[in-house]
Parts: sequence; structure tokens; C-alpha cells
Amino acid sequence: GAVVSQHPSWVICKSGTSVKIECRSLDFQATTMFWYRQFPKQSLMLMATSNEGSKATYEQGVEKDKFLINHASLTLSTLTVTSAHPEDSSFYICSARDRRRTNSPLHFGNGTRLTVT
Amino acid sequence: GESVGLHLPTLSVQEGDNSIINCAYSNSASDYFIWYKQESGKGPQFIIDIRSNMDKRQGQRVTVLLNKTVKHLSLQIAATQPGDSAVYFCAESLGTYKYIFGTGTRLKVLA
Repeated sequence: GAVVSQHPSWVICKSGTSVKIECRSLDFQATTMFWYRQFPKQSLMLMATSNEGSKATYEQGVEKDKFLINHASLTLSTLTVTSAHPEDSSFYICSARDRRRTNSPLHFGNGTRLTVT
Repeated sequence: GESVGLHLPTLSVQEGDNSIINCAYSNSASDYFIWYKQESGKGPQFIIDIRSNMDKRQGQRVTVLLNKTVKHLSLQIAATQPGDSAVYFCAESLGTYKYIFGTGTRLKVLA
């Protein structure tokens, strides 16, 4: 089945530093990937839609300069949390769909737990 | 709009019994619905999906029911097992890849 790999699975960083999270589709190509954020005991909140070769589309209230997204290839999207602060601590999850199977559901990575100290 | 809950409702079920998890979706125009299972510290795992032109779909031990009249979706798990313990989310989609997730339900399977 389609596999989405996220790296790292967890990261601890100091306040003010930047952190990059990678999302890869291992056995399929994805023109579109999605980045979600999840707080403890809450649902997934869509942050942005990552489009291969073009700018990402951000949801209302999500700062594009804070959460930089790059989708340079059909198998890789990255999310960079810039100048991270403790309130950015969260579980970040990416998802992707096989471009050849437009009716298939999204496949999710296993998430990245970010802790900002 | 997007659903963000402060508390996850919990459903406790005896092992071997059937589980029914309910979800109310928000957009009457949504045409695709999906159930995901999320275990602690992991990403959502696809369980089953259904399109708006259907009202029932069955998988292995799982059944999804869709009632468009009241914008309600349910997931039925037959013969619930300890490995079914997780948080279950429904998601809706309208013609795009964007999913809107429900608040989630925690399923606890009692031995």
C-alpha cells in the first residue's frame, strides 16, 4: 500500500530556532500534500496544502512566514517552523494522495512531535 | 467549518461486542467521507470510505453508514477486539483533496 514517511518522528528545539520536517511519499508520486497540526486530545487541523512546483495554500489564521512549506518534487514536501516558540509545540502530520489514483483516500505519515523549550 | 474539540468523547465496549461510533458532519454538499483510526503517537490510518451516492459500505469487520438527510455518519465495528482501541475520526471532503476532520471518539475495549 501507499506509504508516507515523515522525519523526524520527534524533535526538541530551543526557542528561537527553526525546525524542518520532511514528508515523503515512498512508493507513489503526489502533486499535492497536506500539513496538519494536532493538539493533545483534539482533532487534526489543516494548516496548508502543499503543491508541487508552486506556492502552498495556507488556511485562514496560519502564518505563511512562520510555517514555510516547500514541495520541490513529486515525492517530498517540507515544513519549516521558523523561530519556534513554546506555543508551536504540537504534533505535525502530513498526508498525500497518489496522483494516479484520484479517487483514493489520503495517506498519512506517522507525525512529528515538536517540543520547543 | 473545522471541528476542534476540547474533550474527546469515549466509548467503552466489551471485547467481542459490536461498536458503533457516530459522527455529524458539517457540509451538506460534502460528497466523500472517510473513517480513520489513530493510535497514540501515530498518524491516522485509513479504515473505510464512502461516497455520497451510497448509504452503506462494508469492509472487513467494519461497516460505514451514511445518512445525508441528517448529515450523519457512523462506523460499526463487529466483534470488537483489544487492538481496536484507538481514537476514531471521520472526515468529509467536497470535490477537493481537502479533508475536514470531526472531533474524534476514543474507543476503549474492555477485556
